[in-house]
Amino acid sequence: DAGVIQSPRHEVTEMGQEVTLRCKPISGHDYLFWYRQTMMRGLELLIYFNNNVPIDDSGMPEDRFSAKMPNASFSTLKIQPSEPRDSAVYFCASSGARAGELFFGEGSRLTVL
Amino acid sequence: GEDVEQSLFLSVREGDSSVINCTYTDSSSTYLYWYKQEPGAGLQLLTYIFSNMDMKQDQRLTVLLNKKDKHLSLRIADTQTGDSAIYFCAEKNVGSYIPTFGRGTSLIVHP
Repeated sequence: DAGVIQSPRHEVTEMGQEVTLRCKPISGHDYLFWYRQTMMRGLELLIYFNNNVPIDDSGMPEDRFSAKMPNASFSTLKIQPSEPRDSAVYFCASSGARAGELFFGEGSRLTVL
Repeated sequence: GEDVEQSLFLSVREGDSSVINCTYTDSSSTYLYWYKQEPGAGLQLLTYIFSNMDMKQDQRLTVLLNKKDKHLSLRIADTQTGDSAIYFCAEKNVGSYIPTFGRGTSLIVHP
């Protein structure tokens, strides 16, 4: 199994630009999570999906952030317009195991100048 | 709400044992997890313990659970430089698919 696949691994963009992060979960997993990690705030849950349906987006910081899951094998997290304070590592994780353990991707490191 | 607390740093000498501690507040926690994050990588599940267990051992790793004190620990025997990483404690209660993570403990292994 290839695990959770995220792209891009690194993104450097200028303030005001649109950023799209992508995630392919592990096949057969029915939960998908988007997290953000920073030194200041640690690991924050942004949104999670169950069977492609968004269940809780209360962690999404602002309307500039949106996430979609058009099918079971693909999800996107979009930031429009991006701001320097959005600089962080964004992780996608999926789960389908009875014990609820999460399988994380390698992360997308976003730098907004 | 749920809260998971960990110390931020732990420094040990290579070959010694490391003990990383975690406390949690949710008395209905059913699963407790330890994840490892190496530099530039995502979190990787190391092990988990179900709340009806007191101890779980897996090679160099030993997890101890004290439900009364809501205290979880991870012991790494014969710590190696490759064990240097951030270790996250997490808990999840029955009926939820959302684990609550601690801030992580940075383990530094020096020669």
